[in-house]
Amino acid sequence: NAGVTQTPKFRILKIGQSMTLQCAQDMNHNYMYWYRQDPGMGLKLIYYSVGAGITDKGEVPNGYNVSRSTTEDFPLRLELAAPSQTSVYFCASSRSSPYEQYFGPGTRLTVT
Amino acid sequence: DAKTTQPPSMDCAEGRAANLPCNHSTISGNEYVYWYRQIHSQGPQYIIHGLKNNETNEMASLIITEDRKSSTLILPHATLRDTAVYYCIVSLRTGAGSYQLTFGKGTKLSVIP
Repeated sequence: NAGVTQTPKFRILKIGQSMTLQCAQDMNHNYMYWYRQDPGMGLKLIYYSVGAGITDKGEVPNGYNVSRSTTEDFPLRLELAAPSQTSVYFCASSRSSPYEQYFGPGTRLTVT
Repeated sequence: DAKTTQPPSMDCAEGRAANLPCNHSTISGNEYVYWYRQIHSQGPQYIIHGLKNNETNEMASLIITEDRKSSTLILPHATLRDTAVYYCIVSLRTGAGSYQLTFGKGTKLSVIP
């Protein structure tokens, strides 16, 4: 199993541009999550999904959108990128709750 | 959500047990205690979780006090590879049935040769 994979690993965006961060898992997990981690801080939950077609907001959803059309994929969309969205983005999945979450390697995003 | 308090940093000699404390005095009865760690800038790695009873797995032991207001993560024989930031998280079940994790700043554990 590849586990949780994320693409791209690095990206630089200009202010106002848009992009989609890709996340995929091959463990047949129902639950998937997106977090962001700012320098020197812990992770904050952006959005999560408990199954295909079901998504919900986390702690910091503003400026982001998600969709979950399949069990495997959970893309995160950034519209109108802002410098405040410079961060490392982690995707995670879990079989259910309260089971452990498995994290991907992260995407480092810089908005200038 | 219950908040957690952890020391910002700790040192541990290689081969000795590392005992990482966590206070969660406002925890409620249906909230789990989770421990994760993050090595360098990698994605966090699950270690262990528990509700009321002490738990042990191949990585660590979790000791939860009887009143559930604090817990201790024990790494029985710390190695250099255990150097990481350790997060203690108290997780509340959401209306959608998911347990959300809220990461604080954690404890930076340095294992010393």
